[in-house]
Amino acid sequence: GESVGLHLPTLSVQEGDNSIINCAYSNSASDYFIWYKQESGKGPQFIIDIRSNMDKRQGQRVTVLLNKTVKHLSLQIAATQPGDSAVYFCAENSGGSNYKLTFGKGTLLTVNP
Amino acid sequence: IAGITQAPTSQILAAGRRMTLRCTQDMRHNAMYWYRQDLGLGLRLIHYSNTAGTTGKGEVPDGYSVSRANTDDFPLTLASAVPSQTSVYFCATGQGHTDTQYFGPGTRLTVL
Repeated sequence: GESVGLHLPTLSVQEGDNSIINCAYSNSASDYFIWYKQESGKGPQFIIDIRSNMDKRQGQRVTVLLNKTVKHLSLQIAATQPGDSAVYFCAENSGGSNYKLTFGKGTLLTVNP
Repeated sequence: IAGITQAPTSQILAAGRRMTLRCTQDMRHNAMYWYRQDLGLGLRLIHYSNTAGTTGKGEVPDGYSVSRANTDDFPLTLASAVPSQTSVYFCATGQGHTDTQYFGPGTRLTVL
């Protein structure tokens, strides 16, 4: 079946560095992608999204890149801070009227001071 | 403050007991969802509701039931809890036109 996966389960960076978290998806019909951040003991928090008619979208310190040719999604965090330490999930919505998302298992980002 | 509330925050339950997890939103979103999150398995959809009065099965619906009598509330019921239902449960809501889902704080359930 179709699934969403992550290349790296853990990522450790130094404070101030840029972080890149990757995600591979396999459903070519997916037309909407979301990145979530989940801190310990809390629910997933929406970070940024992108539709399949875009290649790049920027937010505050975050950028999402979408490469539909190789079915790859990435989240870039600029000037990573200790507060960015969390698990990051990508999710895809293959469209249709039921709005269901398929989630990756997550990447743990640790920011070292 | 607009958002999603879940109750209880945590619960320890004896196997065989009935339990209802509550979820309430004041965001006026049409769609609501229940997920369970287990280590190594990520978020898995249990049941969903696209609008008040309708529900549907997700990836792991067995042992759970839901109802959607109105827009704001979406309770999840475990009719007879089993230890494999030990998990963290998240309720989420969605704006249909953007497909983004927003999550509640979660309920940690332990079934002994």
